[in-house]
Amino acid sequence: EVQLLESGGGLVQPGGSLRLSCAASGFTLSNYAMYWVRQSPGKGLEWVSGISGSDGSTYNADSVKGRFTISRDNSKNTLYLQMNSLRAEDTAVYYCAKGVKMRYFYGMDDWGQGTTVTVSS
Amino acid sequence: QTVVTQEPSLTVSPGGTVTLTCASSTGTVTSSYYPSWFQQKPGQAPRALLYSTTNKHSWTPARFSGSLLGGKAALTLSGVQPEDEAEYYCLLYNAGGLVFGGGTKLTVL
Repeated sequence: EVQLLESGGGLVQPGGSLRLSCAASGFTLSNYAMYWVRQSPGKGLEWVSGISGSDGSTYNADSVKGRFTISRDNSKNTLYLQMNSLRAEDTAVYYCAKGVKMRYFYGMDDWGQGTTVTVSS
Repeated sequence: QTVVTQEPSLTVSPGGTVTLTCASSTGTVTSSYYPSWFQQKPGQAPRALLYSTTNKHSWTPARFSGSLLGGKAALTLSGVQPEDEAEYYCLLYNAGGLVFGGGTKLTVL
């Protein structure tokens, strides 16, 4: 059974940093694309970052480019999202999601329950 | 920046059929946009329904189907059940990025 467990969310001041983790079980992380998707309070879904399962290529939404970095540790079967220079508009529930396939453009199948990030002074 | 547009809200009667659509500001949606569809109920994480236009996940009920319709991606629910009341999001791949639509709130009434 696929399980995705996010952690690392919390309250951070504007300009601060946070690292989210997503511990995966039930499958081998490196065999699939992986994603971070966020949802601001009362709003829709927004794709944030993705990493290909084949060659580890990474992709970021324009809204987080240069500030957020997605990575994975295959030995720990864990996905990360390093978030720097955080802004109030980054406040959201952050979901980790598993790709349908290794290639990044196929989108997601399994989702975690999310971790909440609040950026406020 | 690609904008993906969905109907903000739709209402359907139990047992009825409804089609949700997903349009791209870049033009006609084709299979190369790899359309996906997701369902989200209040307080829950999204749940994947379809990928690559028509492909269902193992848990997707048979009443959900996907297609390309009039230059858009489409999600059709046939024989709607009360538990289908939810927010539905489409996802498109374009120019190296992924973009979600704004969501359609489906009411079953």
